[in-house]
Amino acid sequence: QSALTQPASVSGSRGQSITISCTGTSSDVGGYDYVSWYQHHPGKAPKLIICDVSNRPSGVSNRFSGSKSGNTASLTISGLQAEDEADYYCSSYTSIATRVFGGGTRLTVL
Amino acid sequence: QLQLQESGPGLVKPSETLSLTCTVSGGSVSSTTYYWGWIRQPPGKGLEWIGSIYYSGTTYYNPSLKSRVTISVDTSKNQFSLKLRSVTAADAAVYFCVRELTTILTKSFDIWGQGTTVTVSS
Repeated sequence: QSALTQPASVSGSRGQSITISCTGTSSDVGGYDYVSWYQHHPGKAPKLIICDVSNRPSGVSNRFSGSKSGNTASLTISGLQAEDEADYYCSSYTSIATRVFGGGTRLTVL
Repeated sequence: QLQLQESGPGLVKPSETLSLTCTVSGGSVSSTTYYWGWIRQPPGKGLEWIGSIYYSGTTYYNPSLKSRVTISVDTSKNQFSLKLRSVTAADAAVYFCVRELTTILTKSFDIWGQGTTVTVSS
C-alpha cells in the first residue's frame, strides 16, 4: 500500500487559517469515511485531533476542522497559534482492512 | 484514564528479532470496542502503521512488513506484544503502541503510548 500524499510543509501567520491536504485513492480515503488526523510535537506522543473525516474528539479545539472530497481529505486550522506548530499526519482505513498514514506535514507558525 | 506503556530492549542486533511489549493500565485489552496496535517512526521520517490485533487474536498487518511481523495479545497480563524478525538498520525507529477505537461508525488511534526508541546495531 502506498502512503497518502501530504504537502511536506505549510506555514501561516498567527491568527490566519491554513489547510493541509491528504490525497489517497478510492481504496482508502475515497472509499471510507475513516480518515483521521494527528498532531505530533516531536518527542511527544501524537494526538488525535480529527476522526472519521470531520469529528473532533472531546477536548480538541474547534479551531481544528476536517473535510473530504473524493479521494482528498483536508485539515483546516483556523486562528493559528504558536502552539499549533507541529507535524500533522492523516490516516485512513483501507479496502484490505489495513491502515495507512500520510507522509506528514510540518506546520510553521510565523 | 487508560494508559499505554511500551517496554523492551532499546538495542537490537541486525538479523535478530525486535520484541516489544505494551502494558495497558486503566482499561482492558479484552474490550470489544478496540483494536490494539503498533506504529513506528524512523528518524526523520513519518509515521508507519505496523499492525493491529483484536482481543480474540484477529490480526491485520502492513503488507510491507507482514512476512516479518507477529503481534500477539495476552489478556491475562493485559498486554500486547510486537515481534519483528530479521531486523535491519531500516527498522530503527521510535515504536508507539496505540489503542484503536474501532466500530462500524469510527476508526481512529485515540490513545498512544509515549514511544520507545529502538536502535539496530551490532
